Amino acid sequence: GQQVMQIPQYQHVQEGEDFTTYCNSSTTLSNIQWYKQRPGGHPVFLIQLVKSGEVKKQKRLTFQFGEAKKNSSLHITATQTTDVGTYFCAGTSGTYKYIFGTGTRLKVLA
Amino acid sequence: NAGVTQTPKFRILKIGQSMTLQCAQDMNHNYMYWYRQDPGMGLKLIYYSVGAGITDKGEVPNGYNVSRSTTEDFPLRLELAAPSQTSVYFCASSSRGSYNEQFFGPGTRLTVL
Repeated sequence: GQQVMQIPQYQHVQEGEDFTTYCNSSTTLSNIQWYKQRPGGHPVFLIQLVKSGEVKKQKRLTFQFGEAKKNSSLHITATQTTDVGTYFCAGTSGTYKYIFGTGTRLKVLA
Repeated sequence: NAGVTQTPKFRILKIGQSMTLQCAQDMNHNYMYWYRQDPGMGLKLIYYSVGAGITDKGEVPNGYNVSRSTTEDFPLRLELAAPSQTSVYFCASSSRGSYNEQFFGPGTRLTVL
């Protein structure tokens, strides 16, 4: 079945450093979503990417969808303590059945 | 709007007991989902529904049942609880269409002893 992997599993950064998490699917995706989950909280939607090679920005966050629509990345510039949490990608191959990635847990050291 | 609500927030079950996790949304969303999240892990899709009367299995459906008699409600039933079902359960909903962000409920933390 479809699998979605994320790397790294954990990342500790100093406040102000950049952070990137990568998402890789075993199958071609029709779209990919990104979510953030704060410790003890529930996932909160960040963005959806649909087109091959698409790049979207939200303030310090940059999201990319690969040309082959099998991988994606989230880059945070100049991390802040408010960025702490786990970042998940979730992909679908054309149905409304989303498979979540394994997540990247980000810790930001002040 | 309350969004997606889940009850109960916490529950402890004994092995073999049954229970229903409730989920409701007031956004008139067609699509609803149940996920489980084991400690330190990602979310696994249990069941999903694309509308009232229509449900389908996700990645890990064994040991669970669902029903969708109305647009608003999507309860998840555990028939014979097992320790492997200890997890946090999240319900989510999304609208029909090409842009369908999922709105998550606060979760139910279930422990089976």
